[in-house]
Amino acid sequence: GAVVSQHPSRVICKSGTSVKIECRSLDFQATTMFWYRQFPKQSLMLMATSNEGSKATYEQGVEKDKFLINHASLTLSTLTVTSAHPEDSSFYICSAIRRGEGDTQYFGPGTRLTVL
Amino acid sequence: SQKIEQNSEALNIQEGKTATLTCNYTNYSPAYLQWYRQDPGRGPVFLLLIRENEKEKRKERLKVTFDTTLKQSLFHITAAQPADSATYLCVMIKAAGNKLTFGGGTRVLVKP
Repeated sequence: GAVVSQHPSRVICKSGTSVKIECRSLDFQATTMFWYRQFPKQSLMLMATSNEGSKATYEQGVEKDKFLINHASLTLSTLTVTSAHPEDSSFYICSAIRRGEGDTQYFGPGTRLTVL
Repeated sequence: SQKIEQNSEALNIQEGKTATLTCNYTNYSPAYLQWYRQDPGRGPVFLLLIRENEKEKRKERLKVTFDTTLKQSLFHITAAQPADSATYLCVMIKAAGNKLTFGGGTRVLVKP
């Protein structure tokens, strides 16, 4: 199978601090990784698309200076929420496309961020 | 822009019956349509993909149909089990290499 992991699974932080979330493809090389945000009882909203070795492409309305994405290798992408505020509290989910499998995205288990 | 509609009301069915979920879309017909399962507090899990030139796809107890004339996809779970209880997401891809567009999901509750 295609396994994607995220770390941490839950994080609670104080307002104004920065939080880093890791997304790893464990058994495959990911040509592209995506970061989504999901609020309670709502569907996933794409935040940005990340390609290894290049700058991430952000969706309209997503602040690139607030949500820093680094895709350093074919198996790791990180999302850093800078100067987090309570309104950033959400469920953050990453996904990855396995090379040669077209557009099927494999999702991580998600990270629950709570900003106090 | 593309709009995907799934029934927001939860679907309650008895164990052993068939659950049928509807996904309607407006605007363009997608190149691919996918169905994912999402459990509370977890990421979506890929179930099935169907292409615009395919009418039906099956995988074990799951069946997906795709009608580009009606702009609709149906997702069936036959012989439903309590373990099938989850939210099911209809997802579309306009063309190869494009991003996914998610429906709001339909929650299914299978009662023993």
